[in-house]
Amino acid sequence: GAVVSQHPSRVICKSGTSVKIECRSLDFQATTMFWYRQFPKQSLMLMATSNEGSKATYEQGVEKDKFLINHASLTLSTLTVTSAHPEDSSFYICSAREVYTQYFGPGTRLTVL
Amino acid sequence: AQSVAQPEDQVNVAEGNPLTVKCTYSVSGNPYLFWYVQYPNRGLQFLLKYITGDNLVKGSYGFEAEFNKSQTSFHLKKPSALVSDSALYFCAVRDMADSNYQLIWGAGTKLIIKP
Repeated sequence: GAVVSQHPSRVICKSGTSVKIECRSLDFQATTMFWYRQFPKQSLMLMATSNEGSKATYEQGVEKDKFLINHASLTLSTLTVTSAHPEDSSFYICSAREVYTQYFGPGTRLTVL
Repeated sequence: AQSVAQPEDQVNVAEGNPLTVKCTYSVSGNPYLFWYVQYPNRGLQFLLKYITGDNLVKGSYGFEAEFNKSQTSFHLKKPSALVSDSALYFCAVRDMADSNYQLIWGAGTKLIIKP
């Protein structure tokens, strides 16, 4: 089946630093990738939709200057959390669309001290 | 408005018994329906989907779901539960006409299988 990798799986950083998370579709090309945030015991919150070669579409309330998304190729999208603060601590999950189905990465646990 | 409802926060089932996790949806057009499972501190794993065709869909790990258009439901089922099925289950829907391919998510149902 379709496999999506995400790196790193866990990151701890100091407040004010930037963190980059990579999402790769390993065995298929993904025209569309999605970035989600998940709070404890809650459902997924879509942050942005990323189409290869174009600017990401951000959901209402998500700061595009804080959460930079780049989808440079059909197999790679990156999310950069800029000037991270403790309130950005969360579980970030990417997904890649193959035809009708979204396949998810294993997630990245971000902790900002 | 498009929405997905998973009416049960938690479902408890004894091992070996059949299980059902409920999902109802609302979309303006025709639905694409999905079930995903999430284990602790992990991403989501795709279980099964309904796109078109047979209303009974079979998926991974022995799970199946039945699309019921009149009741706008897509309940997840398994004939005999395993302790390893304990996890968080999400139902999601996409309106076929949505060119953004975005999924509308249910709140999730925690499934607990007791030995």
